Amino acid sequence: DAGITQSPRHKVTETGTPVTLRCHQTENHRYMYWYRQDPGHGLRLIHYSYGVKDTDKGEVSDGYSVSRSKTEDFLLTLESATSSQTSVYFCAISNDRGAAGANVLTFGAGSRLTVL
Amino acid sequence: AQRVTQPEKLLSVFKGAPVELKCNYSYSGSPELFWYVQYSRQRLQLLLRHISRESIKGFTADLNKGETSFHLKKPFAQEEDSAMYYCALSGLSTDKLIFGTGTRLQVFP
Repeated sequence: DAGITQSPRHKVTETGTPVTLRCHQTENHRYMYWYRQDPGHGLRLIHYSYGVKDTDKGEVSDGYSVSRSKTEDFLLTLESATSSQTSVYFCAISNDRGAAGANVLTFGAGSRLTVL
Repeated sequence: AQRVTQPEKLLSVFKGAPVELKCNYSYSGSPELFWYVQYSRQRLQLLLRHISRESIKGFTADLNKGETSFHLKKPFAQEEDSAMYYCALSGLSTDKLIFGTGTRLQVFP
């Protein structure tokens, strides 16, 4: 698969604890995205990044923060996890506008988070 | 607002039957439409995009701006087509790619 890895792949935590998910890419792509996948809701955009230190909110950003200090890493943090944040989280990357394959997302394998 | 609607949660057909997965969108600018597929135990992957105007695995989709639709079609379904299908929308004036709620396609032998 393309050079995009997510960690951890599985995590169980308790309500109120902080959680950080990491997305790492080796493709040098400009854009990085965090989605959550839930039955009946499909994929919903949480946050995305269009460059180092450049991020913006998606559809369901409340309760989540992100950071991108270098091109290859995009971190998603749940400051105080809640049961409603139990989900499968997907990271995705895409190339720059005007580049080959622009706007086409390559996805990570997903991180399954359970908040008890 | 940028929105994608997939009205069917589940579509069940028999092998050899035609398939049409519906997708409607709402976007004020010039849209870019995609279909992504997630096979069991595999990563989400691009199936096709409207600007390519190509057929992938026998699937085609035509962008109809008048009806704001991008339905996915295949004349003869195969069992290996069973998967979750997502329609997605982006555009020239946005960096976001918004997905629909998905349609699960089940193809029975």
